[in-house]
Amino acid sequence: EVQLVESGGGLVQPGGSLRLSCAASGFTFRNYWMSWVRQAPGKGLEWVANIKQDGSEIYYVDSVKGRFTISRDNTKNSLYLQMKNLRAEDTALYYCVRDWGSGTPFDYWGQGTLVTVSS
Amino acid sequence: QSVLTQPPSASGTPGQRVTISCSGSSSNIGVNYVYWCRQLPGTAPKLLIYANNQRPSGVPDRFSGSKSGTSASLAISGLLSEDEADYYCVVWDDRLTAWVFGGGTKLTVL
Repeated sequence: EVQLVESGGGLVQPGGSLRLSCAASGFTFRNYWMSWVRQAPGKGLEWVANIKQDGSEIYYVDSVKGRFTISRDNTKNSLYLQMKNLRAEDTALYYCVRDWGSGTPFDYWGQGTLVTVSS
Repeated sequence: QSVLTQPPSASGTPGQRVTISCSGSSSNIGVNYVYWCRQLPGTAPKLLIYANNQRPSGVPDRFSGSKSGTSASLAISGLLSEDEADYYCVVWDDRLTAWVFGGGTKLTVL
């Protein structure tokens, strides 16, 4: 069974940093692109970033470029999102999502980890 | 404002057929596959349609997708009360080099 389990969310002050993690199991992690998608309270879905199987290609939504860094460790079947200089508008539930690899991106989602940026 | 335009709401009665549109441009829907996700209240989204019109295993054939030019549609036939959810289209945008989601459509079953 495919499982994606996010962790690392919490309350952080504006300008602060946070590192999200996603533990993947039930599939061959190194064969898939992976994404982070977020959802602000009461709002729609927003894709944040993705990373190729070997980490050689990375893309970000414009609003997080220069502040967020996506990375992965295929030896640990883990995906990460380092977030710096956090703003109130980054407050959201952050989902770890399986991306390209089998022709069906977005086929598996974690339950999300909540990031709240507030003073 | 989203790169992909969806109606904010849609509604229908049980048994009816409803469609949800998703309008994009030549850099996204015009050249790439469209995907549809459904999010039931309080839960993580779930993939409903991939590659414009394909259903993942387990998704009933009441759900169908189509694409024409720079627009796409999701159709739900035989509407059930449990279809009440938010529906999102998503496409890779070649100009932005990013996945873009539609703003979402809240479906109400009357």
